[in-house]
Amino acid sequence: DAGITQSPRHKVTETGTPVTLRCHQTENHRYMYWYRQDPGHGLRLIHYSYGVKDTDKGEVSDGYSVSRSKTEDFLLTLESATSSQTSVYFCAISDSGSPGANVLTFGAGSRLTVL
Amino acid sequence: GNSVTQMEGPVTLSEEAFLTINCTYTATGYPSLFWYVQYPGEGLQLLLKATKADDKGSNKGFEATYRKETTSFHLEKGSVQVSDSAVYFCALSDGSGTYKYIFGTGTRLKVLA
Repeated sequence: DAGITQSPRHKVTETGTPVTLRCHQTENHRYMYWYRQDPGHGLRLIHYSYGVKDTDKGEVSDGYSVSRSKTEDFLLTLESATSSQTSVYFCAISDSGSPGANVLTFGAGSRLTVL
Repeated sequence: GNSVTQMEGPVTLSEEAFLTINCTYTATGYPSLFWYVQYPGEGLQLLLKATKADDKGSNKGFEATYRKETTSFHLEKGSVQVSDSAVYFCALSDGSGTYKYIFGTGTRLKVLA
């Protein structure tokens, strides 16, 4: 998607290994989010950021950490991957915190398989 | 807590049929409501939104009206095309924090030629 890229797009890893997913934006948007998408659950928020070095937990943050050292990059780390973290991960950005204007722009997703 | 409930799919229609995908919500205060669409292999993208009661969002022939009395935001289209085949997500943003964006589970639509 224009302005937001995720890497890697696909990854297969073993249980217990660390994994880092990267989200890069060129829109200079303040807010960045990591979601996971699973059948029957829709999208669930993992972590979000409201500025450089300002992050907070979402509803399913256990087992995940994030970092944002630059406006354009938001990293999601699985310190020790488990099979329950097999999922499709989406990064999203927005330039407003107000609910009516808070339109999310999503990346294309990163499919992670933990064996 | 806040929640969004949408009809389970898949929904299979013939081309030019009328589409309705039901969405109801539970929220405190005055949320904004959204429909996002996900085409195969892609991320979600905004389809339409409504920010207050009785507002109607519309885009690409799709419409949805924010009904506070029935806490609903049903998606409709008068004549679907094969290219509308996708997964549709209803969502709300309740305004209590930038992260309070709640998604429904998604409804897969398949349109047959």
